[in-house]
Amino acid sequence: AQTVTQSQPEMSVQEAETVTLSCTYDTSENNYYLFWYKQPPSRQMILVIRQEAYKQQNATENRFSVNFQKAAKSFSLKISDSQLGDTAMYFCAFMNLLRNAGNNRKLIWGLGTSLAVNP
Amino acid sequence: GAGVSQSPRYKVAKRGQDVALRCDPISGHVSLFWYQQALGQGPEFLTYFQNEAQLDKSGLPSDRFFAERPEGSVSTLKIQRTQQEDSAVYLCASSLDDGRPRTDTQYFGPGTRLTVL
Repeated sequence: AQTVTQSQPEMSVQEAETVTLSCTYDTSENNYYLFWYKQPPSRQMILVIRQEAYKQQNATENRFSVNFQKAAKSFSLKISDSQLGDTAMYFCAFMNLLRNAGNNRKLIWGLGTSLAVNP
Repeated sequence: GAGVSQSPRYKVAKRGQDVALRCDPISGHVSLFWYQQALGQGPEFLTYFQNEAQLDKSGLPSDRFFAERPEGSVSTLKIQRTQQEDSAVYLCASSLDDGRPRTDTQYFGPGTRLTVL
């Protein structure tokens, strides 16, 4: 079974600075997807970034980028030029490429990291 | 276009009552997921629909939980004889999932916060 671990329950960063959130996962599969989702206090879960395990190049989306280390099973999120609106819970999630029983692509989640961006 | 919507946003139930939670997925999305998020936790998978077929209900915690999607669009999660441990946020997500790359990305609704007294 796959597991996702986020070892930083809370983090804080000053506005305009850079912060890195860590995520490790465990799987015996070779092909899978990894995601970072953001959940602001309003609780709408929003996709931040997605990484395919078969791609060596790290994904980037504007100020958000990942450091994907497949051998180490590590998937960290870097937020550059932090903004007040980045304050939220950040969840790392895993999706198997191969559909399991029931043709399912369910997400397996970490416990989240609460990020506070301070003015 | 419109995103995933859920109703009600908040529900308070007395222990033993039945509740029904509604999810309207993004129009045309094939796959629909329900997740349960306890306070301070990450979401946990409950059940999955492909169109109107419920293909995986392995995450439903007990036979008090029942979900349906009769016409392949709107879905309802029903909890019978609610217990205090059912208190959580219930998240619905949908994905287009038409076989093209990245269409399996899940988009979430705002959730329904259920409090059982």
